Amino acid sequence: AQTVTQSQPEMSVQEAETVTLSCTYDTSESDYYLFWYKQPPSRQMILVIRQEAYKQQNATENRFSVNFQKAAKSFSLKISDSQLGDAAMYFCAYRRKAGNQFYFGTGTSLTVIP
Amino acid sequence: GAGVSQSPSNKVTEKGKDVELRCDPISGHTALYWYRQSLGQGLEFLIYFQGNSAPDKSGLPSDRFSAERTGGSVSTLTIQRTQQEDSAVYLCASSPSDRPPRETQYFGPGTRLLVL
Repeated sequence: AQTVTQSQPEMSVQEAETVTLSCTYDTSESDYYLFWYKQPPSRQMILVIRQEAYKQQNATENRFSVNFQKAAKSFSLKISDSQLGDAAMYFCAYRRKAGNQFYFGTGTSLTVIP
Repeated sequence: GAGVSQSPSNKVTEKGKDVELRCDPISGHTALYWYRQSLGQGLEFLIYFQGNSAPDKSGLPSDRFSAERTGGSVSTLTIQRTQQEDSAVYLCASSPSDRPPRETQYFGPGTRLLVL
């Protein structure tokens, strides 16, 4: 069974600094998708970034980038130049390429300190 | 364009009552998901609809939970004889599934259910 583990329940970062959120997953598949979602207090889940497992190049979206280590089954999210609006719960998610279900980690609560 | 909408945004009910939660997916999205998010927890998959195919109900926690999707669009999640442990945020998501980015979900704002 696929599992997604986020080992950091809470993280904090100084405004304008860089923070890395960790995520590991367990799978026997070779092709799949990985995602980071952000959930602010408004509850609306927002897609931050996605990675296709067959692509070796790490995905990047503006200040957000990932470090995808396929052999280690690790998918960390780096937030550069942190802003107050980045404060939220961040969820890592996994989906098999040929499947329906998404598997989510338990989330990391990020606090941005002014 | 409109995103995924859910109603009501909050629902308070008494133990033993039935509740219906509604989800309006993004127009044209063929896939629809329901999740439950309990306080301090991640998302728990409940059910998945894809077009006219039989839904994947493998995540429904008990036979008190059911869902339907009419006309391939709006979906209703029904919880019968609610229990206090059903209190959670219920999230709906949709995805195109037939065109890129087909594997990406777009979430609604959720319905917060409180069972007294």
